[in-house]
Amino acid sequence: DTEVTQTPKHLVMGMTNKKSLKCEQHMGHRAMYWYKQKAKKPPELMFVYSYEKLSINESVPSRFSPECPNSSLLNLHLHALQPEDSALYLCASSQGTSGGFEQYFGPGTRLTVT
Amino acid sequence: AQSVTQPDIHITVSEGASLELRCNYSYGATPYLFWYVQSPGQGLQLLLKYFSGDTLVQGIKGFEAEFKRSQSSFNLRKPSVHWSDAAEYFCAVGHAGGTSYGKLTFGQGTILTVHP
Repeated sequence: DTEVTQTPKHLVMGMTNKKSLKCEQHMGHRAMYWYKQKAKKPPELMFVYSYEKLSINESVPSRFSPECPNSSLLNLHLHALQPEDSALYLCASSQGTSGGFEQYFGPGTRLTVT
Repeated sequence: AQSVTQPDIHITVSEGASLELRCNYSYGATPYLFWYVQSPGQGLQLLLKYFSGDTLVQGIKGFEAEFKRSQSSFNLRKPSVHWSDAAEYFCAVGHAGGTSYGKLTFGQGTILTVHP
């Protein structure tokens, strides 16, 4: 099974709200990723977790706060977002962070900030 | 710095015709290369990957890709396109070390339209 699940599928939030995105995988992968994708653009890496520790933060604003409670679960906590943060948020996982490990992507959460 | 170029933003083919999507990369060592496909509003699905060995790799859905080191290319091909292949295709290179360990660098993507 190569499935990565993400909830919710769609999220609409105001600029003062606090919400969370959830990602789960049961493939025994030890690396998990958050990407942001704007329309007609490739995914942009936000965060990488390796063995439940944050290994890469691509200078993401602090209104995005990742959390990895265990090796199967990855959350992205959202607070005081801006309309320009509206995008498709993708989660991915891989066996490890070596460049040779393929990443498996979830279906994404479509976020709209009003 | 690593980079990936997909020269064609949009390609249109007729159903049943052959397809080639171009990808050029810039990388200091032997690259890890991937092709992903994305349908509108969906996540990315891995089509195939190249790590080493045979330069012609087979993937899912009848796709194949050929790694040509001399041309720094990893072009995706399919002999006969189906209407369901209409989607956006991304070429990517995986980083094997340094501060970008674990990172994928994506090309800008090629949108494929299939005419009946």
